[in-house]
Amino acid sequence: AQKITQTQPGMFVQEKEAVTLDCTYDTSDPSYGLFWYKQPSSGEMIFLIYQGSYDQQNATEGRYSLNFQKARKSANLVISASQLGDSAMYFCAMREYVGDSGAGSYQLTFGKGTKLSVIP
Amino acid sequence: EAGVVQSPRYKIIEKKQPVAFWCNPISGHNTLYWYRQNLGQGPELLIRYENEEAVDDSQLPKDRFSAERLKGVDSTLKIQPAELGDSAVYLCASSLGPDYNEQFFGPGTRLTVL
Repeated sequence: AQKITQTQPGMFVQEKEAVTLDCTYDTSDPSYGLFWYKQPSSGEMIFLIYQGSYDQQNATEGRYSLNFQKARKSANLVISASQLGDSAMYFCAMREYVGDSGAGSYQLTFGKGTKLSVIP
Repeated sequence: EAGVVQSPRYKIIEKKQPVAFWCNPISGHNTLYWYRQNLGQGPELLIRYENEEAVDDSQLPKDRFSAERLKGVDSTLKIQPAELGDSAVYLCASSLGPDYNEQFFGPGTRLTVL
């Protein structure tokens, strides 16, 4: 099974509107972390937001919020008041501990990304 | 504060040739990561360093890829010989602490193997 699934290859949103980018995950590690990154056409990955599996509240960072539904294994990114500069690829990623306790290591797995286009 | 620096930004080589990528992480960042990003995919970790020690290189194709991080600061990733399938963007990232927290990425090196 895919560890990170982003089902939307591309999304369009009108400027100033809100948009939700979907992400579902699969892990047996009870203490995992979820990240969202933005990758503009220039190529660098920009960290946006982080949600720990034990965090009680949904993470928020400015116009970004993470809609964390643990039972559904869902971690959707919500961008409010979209701006033209938000046009980019968006990647969901999961950090999990793999291997026996004390003998394993943390691994980070990225999804395939969603291309967001903001329309003026 | 300077970000993660990578060079070159672009590289075109013929197959079977060697190639090397250089990365200078953010000052003070102990953890350094090398990723490969194929077209239309998310990045995949190749190797992770804690200071000068490679703590995870399980995804590094060791028959042709090598990496070093002498003195625990900048790092070099080498491919020898390059194959057509190595065409990708190679991203370097660094973080203050371990375990992928708050990584800062460089702009990447786009490699084309002809």
